[in-house]
Amino acid sequence: EPEVTQTPSHQVTQMGQEVILRCVPISNHLYFYWYRQILGQKVEFLVSFYNNEISEKSEIFDDQFSVERPDGSNFTLKIRSTKLEDSAMYFCASSGRTGTSSYGYTFGSGTRLTVV
Amino acid sequence: QKEVEQNSGPLSVPEGAIASLNCTYSDRVSQSFFWYRQYSGKSPELIMSIYSNGDKEDGRFTAQLNKASQYVSLLIRDSQPSDSATYLCAVNEGSGYSTLTFGKGTMLLVSP
Repeated sequence: EPEVTQTPSHQVTQMGQEVILRCVPISNHLYFYWYRQILGQKVEFLVSFYNNEISEKSEIFDDQFSVERPDGSNFTLKIRSTKLEDSAMYFCASSGRTGTSSYGYTFGSGTRLTVV
Repeated sequence: QKEVEQNSGPLSVPEGAIASLNCTYSDRVSQSFFWYRQYSGKSPELIMSIYSNGDKEDGRFTAQLNKASQYVSLLIRDSQPSDSATYLCAVNEGSGYSTLTFGKGTMLLVSP
C-alpha cells in the first residue's frame, strides 16, 4: 500500500535554529498538507499545498514557516527560527484528486521535533 | 471557528463488548466525516469515512452520521485489546483539498 514517508523521525534542535522537515507524498496525489500535534493536544492544520502553491494556511503558519516542493517528489516544511513552543509531532499528509473529498488523507509517520 | 468536540475519556470496555464513540461538530457546511485511530506516539490512521446521513458498516466498525443533529458516532463491535487507542473524529467541507478539523480524541481502553 502506498505510503507517505517522513524524515527524520525525531529531530532535536536548539532554540533559534532552522529546521527542515521532509516528506515524500504518495506519488499520484496532488494535495499536500502539514499538520502538527503538540503533546496531549489535538491535531492542528498548518498548511495545504496544491499546484505548487499554498492553497490555505492557518494562523499558526506565520512568517517563520515555509513550505516547498523542490523537485516534484519531496515536500518540505521549514521553520526558520525555532521556538520552544514549536516542539510537537509534525505530520505530512497527502490526498488524491477528487471532485469532492471522498477519501481521508494518508498521513506520514511523523517527525517529532524537540526544541531545547 | 470550526469546532469538533469529543469526550476525552478514557472509555473502558471489556473485550468482546461494543464500544461507542461520539463526536459533535459546529460547522453546518461540513460534508465529509472521518474516524482516525491513533496509537500513542504514532500518526493518525484512517478507519472510516462517511458522507451521507445514516449508517456505514465496515467489518467490526460502524459509522453513524446525523447532519441535522451535527453528530457522528463510531461503534466498534467485538472490541479487542488491540483496539485500545485514541480515536479522532475529523470533519471537512468536502472539497478536494479542504482542511481537516480534528477533535481532541477519545481514548478507548479494552480490557482482556
